[in-house]
Amino acid sequence: DGGITQSPKYLFRKEGQNVTLSCEQNLNHDAMYWYRQDPGQGLRLIYYSQIVNDFQKGDIAEGYSVSREKKESFPLTVTSAQKNPTAFYLCASSMSGRPGYEQYFGPGTRLTVT
Amino acid sequence: RKEVEQDPGPFNVPEGATVAFNCTYSNSASQSFFWYRQDCRKEPKLLMSVYSSGNEDGRFTAQLNRASQYISLLIRDSKLSDSATYLCVVNRVDSSYKLIFGSGTRLLVRP
Repeated sequence: DGGITQSPKYLFRKEGQNVTLSCEQNLNHDAMYWYRQDPGQGLRLIYYSQIVNDFQKGDIAEGYSVSREKKESFPLTVTSAQKNPTAFYLCASSMSGRPGYEQYFGPGTRLTVT
Repeated sequence: RKEVEQDPGPFNVPEGATVAFNCTYSNSASQSFFWYRQDCRKEPKLLMSVYSSGNEDGRFTAQLNRASQYISLLIRDSKLSDSATYLCVVNRVDSSYKLIFGSGTRLLVRP
């Protein structure tokens, strides 16, 4: 069964704690992405990686960090520096980061920080 | 001006109706266009890519108007299961080729 998995589906953390969200894909895609979605808003890009061992900041990277040590995996760490971490986090992948390639999404992780 | 703009709706239509959404984009050099569908509290799912000549997939038709910088989605014979938010997506024209997602248009199909 090919696809993108994210875990956990729901995550609750106390303010001041770092938390890592998992994203794995078995589609053999080169590019992977992290977005966050807030109620009533469009998706905003946090980080992206066009190839293993390389990643770039998106539009709202402050307070987040990523790694891309394996092609299949692109974990996102939400640090205590992120001012408003409560959101719906979506991971996506595409065959290539070049134009014209569709992105496919995982089921998402809902993070609540109190 | 937002890079991608959509009417948030909701569009409330009866089953069987035809409904159309438009989406405008700001950068005339954009090359890639998509429509995604997002159900409540779920991930976006690719509905269709949008090609220059327009394309159709069953009850869904997508059109691109480069001169006016908008794309459209037409849904014929609406089903209850079409109720969702439809996201317009355009690629950013810089070295990154990142995608820009509109905030979505909500469709409600009633019995």
